[in-house]
Amino acid sequence: GENVEQHPSTLSVQEGDSAVIKCTYSDSASNYFPWYKQELGKRPQLIIDIRSNVGEKKDQRIAVTLNKTAKHFSLHITETQPEDSAVYFCAAKDSNYQLIWGAGTKLIIKP
Amino acid sequence: DGGITQSPKYLFRKEGQNVTLSCEQNLNHDAMYWYRQDPGQGLRLIYYSQIVNDFQKGDIAEGYSVSREKKESFPLTVTSAQKNPTAFYLCASSIGGLAAHTGELFFGEGSRLTVL
Repeated sequence: GENVEQHPSTLSVQEGDSAVIKCTYSDSASNYFPWYKQELGKRPQLIIDIRSNVGEKKDQRIAVTLNKTAKHFSLHITETQPEDSAVYFCAAKDSNYQLIWGAGTKLIIKP
Repeated sequence: DGGITQSPKYLFRKEGQNVTLSCEQNLNHDAMYWYRQDPGQGLRLIYYSQIVNDFQKGDIAEGYSVSREKKESFPLTVTSAQKNPTAFYLCASSIGGLAAHTGELFFGEGSRLTVL
C-alpha cells in the first residue's frame, strides 16, 4: 500500500525567510496531494492541494510542487511570519482513494 | 455557525471501560471519518462512512466501533479491547466520499482520551 514520508520533523526558520517541507510517496497511482496546517490546540485545516495533472500551484505566500517521476511533492512558504508556526501534514490519495498521511513537520518561526 | 462539533474535548477513562466520543456536523456532508493522532505520527484512519447506515473499517479499526444512524452524527466507541486507547481523536467530514474529485476534509477540534 501507499507510504508517505515527510521531512523534516522539525524546521526552524528566521522570520521572513522561506521554509520548505518535503514528502515522498510510494504509490505511483496516487493522484491528489493536500497539505494541512494544524496550529497548536486547533483542528487541521487544508491550506493548499495539488492534483497529479499539475506540476505547481501557488496561493499567495504558499506553493506546492509535484514531481510525479520522482514521486515527491513539497510545500514552500515564502516570507514566513509568526502565524505560520504550526504543524504541517502532507497526504496522498492512493489508488484505493484513501488519504495516507505524513508524520507532520513542526515549523517554528524565530523572531 | 456551520461545522463539526466533537465532545467531550477531554475524557478520562479507567481501564476496562468503554467510552463514546460524539461527532456532529451540520455541513450536510455525506462522508464522515474518524482519525487517531499520536505524537510523531500521521493521522491514521479508524473508520469511515460514506452514507447513512453504512461504514467501513480503516487501517486501525480493532477495538473501536461506530454507527451512522443519522447523516449528521457519527459517534465512535472506544472499547476495552483497544489495547492503547490514550490518544487524540479527530472526526472529519467531506462533501463527497473517498473518490470525490474534491477531497477536502473538514475537521472537528478533537477529543483527547486518557486512560488511567
